[in-house]
Amino acid sequence: NAGVTQTPKFRVLKTGQSMTLLCAQDMNHEYMYWYRQDPGMGLRLIHYSVGEGTTAKGEVPDGYNVSRLKKQNFLLGLESAAPSQTSVYFCASSVRETQYFGPGTRLLVL
Amino acid sequence: DAKTTQPNSMESNEEEPVHLPCNHSTISGTDYIHWYRQLPSQGPEYVIHGLTSNVNNRMASLAIAEDRKSSTLILHRATLRDAAVYYCILRLRGETSYDKVIFGPGTSLSVIP
Repeated sequence: NAGVTQTPKFRVLKTGQSMTLLCAQDMNHEYMYWYRQDPGMGLRLIHYSVGEGTTAKGEVPDGYNVSRLKKQNFLLGLESAAPSQTSVYFCASSVRETQYFGPGTRLLVL
Repeated sequence: DAKTTQPNSMESNEEEPVHLPCNHSTISGTDYIHWYRQLPSQGPEYVIHGLTSNVNNRMASLAIAEDRKSSTLILHRATLRDAAVYYCILRLRGETSYDKVIFGPGTSLSVIP
């Protein structure tokens, strides 16, 4: 099993550009999550999904949209990137007690 | 919501035991204590969890105070690969999602050769 994978690993955007981050998991997990992590801070939940076709807002959803059209994929979109969205983005999926994280996507918005 | 507090940073010598503390004085009877760690440039990974009794697995041991208001993650012999940020979090028993879980700043562990 590949576990949780994220695409791309690194991206540079200009302010106002849009992009989509892809998260894929092959563990058949119902729950998936998008977090952002800024220097010296823990993880902050952006959006999450409790199943295919469902999404919900987390702690810091503004400026992001998500979609879960297939159970194995969870997409995070930035419609108009801002420098404040420079961060490392982690995707995760969970089953019962344990959460499994991807390797992260480093995003720099200039 | 119950929250946890951890020291910002700790140091350990290689091959010595490490005790990472976590305070959770407002824990409820139905909260599980979970530990995750994040190695440099990687996503967090699960380490261990428990409710009341001490727990052991291949990665670490978890010692839970009798009143459950604190817990300690024990790495029996620290290696350089154990240098990471360690997160102590609470999860409600029966809760199936992580949407209410708060990953705070954690404890940054440095291991000295």
